Amino acid sequence: EAGVAQSPRYKIIEKRQSVAFWCNPISGHATLYWYQQILGQGPKLLIQFQNNGVVDDSQLPKDRFSAERLKGVDSTLKIQPAKLEDSAVYLCASSLTAGRDQPQHFGDGTRLSIL
Amino acid sequence: KQEVTQIPAALSVPEGENLVLNCSFTDSAIYNLQWFRQDPGKGLTSLLLIQSSQREQTSGRLNASLDKSSGRSTLYIAASQPGDSATYLCAVRPGGSYIPTFGRGTSLIVHP
Repeated sequence: EAGVAQSPRYKIIEKRQSVAFWCNPISGHATLYWYQQILGQGPKLLIQFQNNGVVDDSQLPKDRFSAERLKGVDSTLKIQPAKLEDSAVYLCASSLTAGRDQPQHFGDGTRLSIL
Repeated sequence: KQEVTQIPAALSVPEGENLVLNCSFTDSAIYNLQWFRQDPGKGLTSLLLIQSSQREQTSGRLNASLDKSSGRSTLYIAASQPGDSATYLCAVRPGGSYIPTFGRGTSLIVHP
């Protein structure tokens, strides 16, 4: 089966610019997650979708970050405007359902550098 | 607030050694604990998931144990190989939330 696809792999922008990341989950997976992984740290969950609805976005900085999953399949994560501290790898993951026992399958991430 | 600590932060060993990686957490009210592997430039791969009611899980050369009352888990890797070189992360899922808390990981190098 095809894995979780993310693009782009790398992105370099200047602070105050905007950027968007795209994720296509494994076919049939209802739950999609976006994580932020700062260098040397573990991933931090930003938002979790179940189909096209938001399950949890309590850790998403909503003043600058937004995410959508309009048709319940692929998803985009946007940052506007970007700050230096947003430099990180943004990981997308999917699982069959939202159950906490469900294994999450991760994409390879988008590495974002802010100049 | 749940805090997850992984010790050691880095480890370099010769091939063939048996290894123990440690993960500790501050709040014992967890739903499950999961160990992941992360290769450079890649996403995370799930290795083992232990439910709060379980004591251990095994997969091949990997064995993970959980002592919820003391807030500790260990990942045991038997007969380490160069292909085991990666960063190993543990993540704790709390009882009342979907949000996992990850440790910073242990960076493992197994040299031939």
